[in-house]
Amino acid sequence: AQSVAQPEDQVNVAEGNPLTVKCTYSVSGNPYLFWYVQYPNRGLQFLLKYITGDNLVKGSYGFEAEFNKSQTSFHLKKPSALVSDSALYFCAVRDKRSGGSYIPTFGRGTSLIVHP
Amino acid sequence: KAGVTQTPRYLIKTRGQQVTLSCSPISGHRSVSWYQQTPGQGLQFLFEYFSETQRNKGNFPGRFSGRQFSNSRSEMNVSTLELGDSALYLCASSPRDSQETQYFGPGTRLLVL
Repeated sequence: AQSVAQPEDQVNVAEGNPLTVKCTYSVSGNPYLFWYVQYPNRGLQFLLKYITGDNLVKGSYGFEAEFNKSQTSFHLKKPSALVSDSALYFCAVRDKRSGGSYIPTFGRGTSLIVHP
Repeated sequence: KAGVTQTPRYLIKTRGQQVTLSCSPISGHRSVSWYQQTPGQGLQFLFEYFSETQRNKGNFPGRFSGRQFSNSRSEMNVSTLELGDSALYLCASSPRDSQETQYFGPGTRLLVL
């Protein structure tokens, strides 16, 4: 079985400050990990993914995420938040094992609010 | 390439009716997945189609069904609508399966009265 947890329903940060949106996961094997962002009344947009290789993954719009296998975490980060980053962020995990579900499991989402 | 398109974007139905939603994946993508998004339950997987075959199915009642055509376009159908079916229905496509990045459409907002 695979699961993902986003422990914070909402994260508030001031513009220009660094931001972190947390994600922890559980899979039987090794994970594929994804971050998506959703703006109001829109579908999900892909930000970045970890498949293999470097633990630090860089993605769109200045976001990055660090894969930490020992802590089973994949936190999303950005050095300097923008008001336009305010949106709903989803973490997703899929088990790499062959025969595992092809379908990623999504977290419940974290609402990021960046204050001017 | 054009992105994933979904039609219609908005829909209002009454209880007991049925509805069909359409999704056109990115050209060349063969996997299409459907999700239901509600404030209370978040993103819930409905089903995935690949090469016209349902490959995975989520935990939804039989009132929810889907199909995929030879051009990879997909439709989902909900029969005997209930108030709780009000949601944003998202379609996502990927080249082969969802170990790759899924690209989402804008969704169809369904309101059941």
